[in-house]
Amino acid sequence: QQQVKQSPQSLIVQKGGISIINCAYENTAFDYFPWYQQFPGKGPALLIAIRPDVSEKKEGRFTISFNKSAKQFSLHIMDSQPGDSATYFCAASKGSGGSNYKLTFGKGTLLTVNP
Amino acid sequence: EAQVTQNPRYLITVTGKKLTVTCSQNMNHEYMSWYRQDPGLGLRQIYYSMNVEVTDKGDVPEGYKVSRKEKRNFPLILESPSPNQTSLYFCASSFFPGSSYEQYFGPGTRLTVT
Repeated sequence: QQQVKQSPQSLIVQKGGISIINCAYENTAFDYFPWYQQFPGKGPALLIAIRPDVSEKKEGRFTISFNKSAKQFSLHIMDSQPGDSATYFCAASKGSGGSNYKLTFGKGTLLTVNP
Repeated sequence: EAQVTQNPRYLITVTGKKLTVTCSQNMNHEYMSWYRQDPGLGLRQIYYSMNVEVTDKGDVPEGYKVSRKEKRNFPLILESPSPNQTSLYFCASSFFPGSSYEQYFGPGTRLTVT
């Protein structure tokens, strides 16, 4: 049972364009939705995260849009740069009530930004 | 520098030869976890630990053991590795409980079992 579905698997964008990656989740108990960025040979690193009490969060060129009723959230990268080329993972977690802080990951999106 | 370290970074071994991958963090985090990353499957949790001497299974615990004798260390043990454990392994840590659930990941250990 895949609890977090991510699309697309790969994405090619021209420099300056907008990259959009989508995720959908099933478990309504999730209360934390991070996006991780992973460069080759490195561990994932937190990029931006959102909680379900807000519909959007922006940090620089990166924005998360969250739709609680649809159980979907997405990452938008504005003015995409070649340095943004990496694998992006969405994830979800339920952290309240002393439960496991396990991150349930999507399968990842390989983003390539062409110069 | 705040970090999660793993050793070794690369390991090639043979079926059945016991091995340990070490993980250490210097951020005084209570929560630590092991994930494996496989192509097309993303990252899946193997084991986690809420604090010293408190560990529990994640989604894919078969064939692995862990221990948490000290807060900073969380080794992953493969007592009899098999080829299907060939994977990229990540250790992660975070504060528990806390206002932020950010998990910090180590650099990864690429394991090949022949």
